[in-house]
Amino acid sequence: DIQMTQSPSSLSASVGDRVTITCRASQSISTYLNWYQQKPGRAPTLLIYGASSLQSGVPSRFSGGGSGTDFTLTISSLQPEDFATYHCQQSYNTPWTFGQGTKVEIK
Amino acid sequence: QVQLVQSGPELRKPGSSVKVSCKASGDTFNTYTYNWVRQAPGQGLEWMGRLVPIFGSPTYSHHFQGRVTLTADDSTGTAYMTLSSLRSEDTAVYYCSRGVVISPYYFDYWGQGTLVTVSS
Repeated sequence: DIQMTQSPSSLSASVGDRVTITCRASQSISTYLNWYQQKPGRAPTLLIYGASSLQSGVPSRFSGGGSGTDFTLTISSLQPEDFATYHCQQSYNTPWTFGQGTKVEIK
Repeated sequence: QVQLVQSGPELRKPGSSVKVSCKASGDTFNTYTYNWVRQAPGQGLEWMGRLVPIFGSPTYSHHFQGRVTLTADDSTGTAYMTLSSLRSEDTAVYYCSRGVVISPYYFDYWGQGTLVTVSS
């Protein structure tokens, strides 16, 4: 199975901050990397697919990058509604696997 | 708009089975994959398997060692997940999610989740 490791596991930030979350795969996955946002008690929602493509309706302050084994999710200016947990997921090989999640909290 | 609506919470005893449903609306049912992902309390997301109704044959994660069965009913636009030989570690929220059938694969819509509690 492909292991996905996110860092950090959690972070504290203020509204307006630029935030970057990283995701590392245990082997090369090309650009088969997706990012999801999950708020407490809610299902995840898709933010980014194919490493860098923004899902329709997602604000442009979210962006994704990377290829191979190293990927990033960046929020250019953190908004109050962005405090949530973020998950990366590889879709290169089944079983599809997720990172352990990064919780973004209010400083 | 696309909606996935799952069945309600379940309480089961160890060793029994549970069947969770996921009714899709707002788009053509059988041209997507239907994936099941679970999340134990305070934990991350774990993919269990997927089914493409138009093809019929499911793909399962080996982590469930034959305990999971995915089916679908085209006539009602409903996907089902059955998990058998339940143990306490299966206590989790179970999500269905719609996936695209062509690369790059991703889950674009999710159900609201179904809490399955396994307890004696």
